Amino acid sequence: NAGVTQTPKFRVLKTGQSMTLLCAQDMNHEYMYWYRQDPGMGLRLIHYSVGEGTTAKGEVPDGYNVSRLKKQNFLLGLESAAPSQTSVYFCASTGSGANVLTFGAGSRLTVL
Amino acid sequence: AQSVAQPEDQVNVAEGNPLTVKCTYSVSGNPYLFWYVQYPNRGLQFLLKYITGDNLVKGSYGFEAEFNKSQTSFHLKKPSALVSDSALYFCAVRDELTGGGNKLTFGTGTQLKVEL
Repeated sequence: NAGVTQTPKFRVLKTGQSMTLLCAQDMNHEYMYWYRQDPGMGLRLIHYSVGEGTTAKGEVPDGYNVSRLKKQNFLLGLESAAPSQTSVYFCASTGSGANVLTFGAGSRLTVL
Repeated sequence: AQSVAQPEDQVNVAEGNPLTVKCTYSVSGNPYLFWYVQYPNRGLQFLLKYITGDNLVKGSYGFEAEFNKSQTSFHLKKPSALVSDSALYFCAVRDELTGGGNKLTFGTGTQLKVEL
């Protein structure tokens, strides 16, 4: 089992460009999450999903959009990247009756 | 609302000595508490959790944590530190009264450095 896989692992963007981060899980988990990690700020929840076709805002949703068209995939989009979105992004998933998150390895995004 | 605090940015310990990484929390209902560890350039890995029951929780790699309701704390401990324990440690909390989605709130992390 691969667990949670994030692509790409690294990306450099120019201000105003768009991109999509892909998260895929093979554990049949209902819940999926996107976090960003910044020095001194820990992990902050961007958006999450409690099932296929559903999404909800987390703590820091502005500037991001998400989609969950298939249960195993959770996409995070940046329509117009800004330097403030330079961060490491983590996807995580868990089952609906469970509490432990399984994390991906992270995607490091730099916006110039 | 749920929140968690890790008061120490960094903890330094000599190998073989006991270690403690501190965590305090705030919730409206009963807490679900977690510790995760992050090694360089890796995702977070689950160490242990407290949901209910015994206040002393044992987890992976010899770590344990004690839930203290009166002090609203959930400190991570290990009797004898190893150099390989050096990593970034995160405490996380979920309020049982939080709405759907099992959303966790993470602390800012504590860098543990174990030296020979």
